Order: sequence, then C-alpha cells, then structure tokens
Amino acid sequence: DTGVSQNPRHKITKRGQNVTFRCDPISEHNRLYWYRQTLGQGPEFLTYFQNEAQLEKSRLLSDRFSAERPKGSFSTLEIQRTEQGDSAMYLCASSLGWASRARGARNYGYTFGSGTRLTVV
Amino acid sequence: TQLLEQSPQFLSIQEGENLTVYCNSSSVFSSLQWYRQEPGEGPVLLVTVVTGGEVKKLKRLTFQFGDARKDSSLHITAAQPGDTGLYLCAGGPNRDDKIIFGKGTRLHILP
Repeated sequence: DTGVSQNPRHKITKRGQNVTFRCDPISEHNRLYWYRQTLGQGPEFLTYFQNEAQLEKSRLLSDRFSAERPKGSFSTLEIQRTEQGDSAMYLCASSLGWASRARGARNYGYTFGSGTRLTVV
Repeated sequence: TQLLEQSPQFLSIQEGENLTVYCNSSSVFSSLQWYRQEPGEGPVLLVTVVTGGEVKKLKRLTFQFGDARKDSSLHITAAQPGDTGLYLCAGGPNRDDKIIFGKGTRLHILP
C-alpha cells in the first residue's frame, strides 16, 4: 500500500467553475476525512465517512460542497461555483478508527495525503 | 467548542540549540497527536500520547502529555535544519472519531 493518494496535486480554476478532487485512502482504513487548510492555519475539519456513510459535515461545508464515498473506497469532493475564498489546500486522511482493536489507542492517528492545492482566480 | 492553542506561532533558532513548543487547551482529550508538515505536503504523524503524564521519545524529540490531558509539549534537543517545518498538535477523538488541530508552530532551524 502506498498510503493516501490525492489527485490532482494542484488545480487552478476560474471563479464560478466546478472542481472535483479525488482521494484514495489506505485500503484497510474504514474512516476517511476531508480537511481544508489555509495559509498560517491548521487543518479544519470538513466531513468524514465510515465506509460509504457520511457521518458528519462541518458548518464550513456550504451547499456548494459535496462529498461522496460511493463504495466505501475512494472519495470525491466537489465544489460547485467556486469562489476566491475556496482557495486552500484540501487534505484527505484515513484511519482505522479509534475503536479498532487491531491498532489500539497508542497508535491512533491519521494518515494524510499530500493534498490538493486549489487556486481560484 | 474545543480549541487547541499552540505557542509560539513562529520560532527561528540556530542549529544545535534546544527548544520547546506547547499545545494547550481548556478541554480534556482522550489522546493527543503531534504531526509535522512540510510545505506543499500533508501532515505526517509523529506520535500519539494517551495517558496523562506520559512521555514519549523519538530520537531527539521528547513529547509529554499533561497530567490532566489538556496540554502537551514537544522538546527538541540539538535542533537540526531537517527539523524545519510546521508542527501541529491534534486532540481527540472524544465522542466521535474526529480530531481537531491547533494552528501549528512554524519552526525554522538556521544552519
């Protein structure tokens, strides 16, 4: 397994266009998370999935944002009618989940992808 | 709302010096993680601390979880240019499986 993969690495788009990002998590991880990070800030939670179920969405995720994980494997994050304020690094992470007995609490943590840098011009 | 405050925000020191960065909250966390992030990349997990008072060492890095599980520190001995990066602390999960991040400490080690 090569870790969490995100595509594309960079995306420049004009304001008003739609964009879609893809995340391929570590195959045995059942949890998948999307975070957004702007310059000088830590990652901010957007949404997460357990398998194909979307369990929580942040208030940061406006109606223009939608995320899917159709078969419980890869996930997509779509932004419609992009705005300049959407410019950020979009990070995907996966984990086995806190309750997993296989890893245990002492090894808990997320594995992040390299992110997709979105620039809206 | 749970918040993690990291200090200092920026730190620039000479190679060979020691340093400590802090992560504080008014909330109790089930565990706390430290990540390092380099420009243009995602954060990479360094360590997870779970028990109050726990100390973990990773080569020249020493991580401590506060007794009350509300704060943590990262101490680097004899800093090297390769230690340069953004150090993020993250707390949780608590009731759900979500962790929250501090804003990070941007560390620059001068050769």
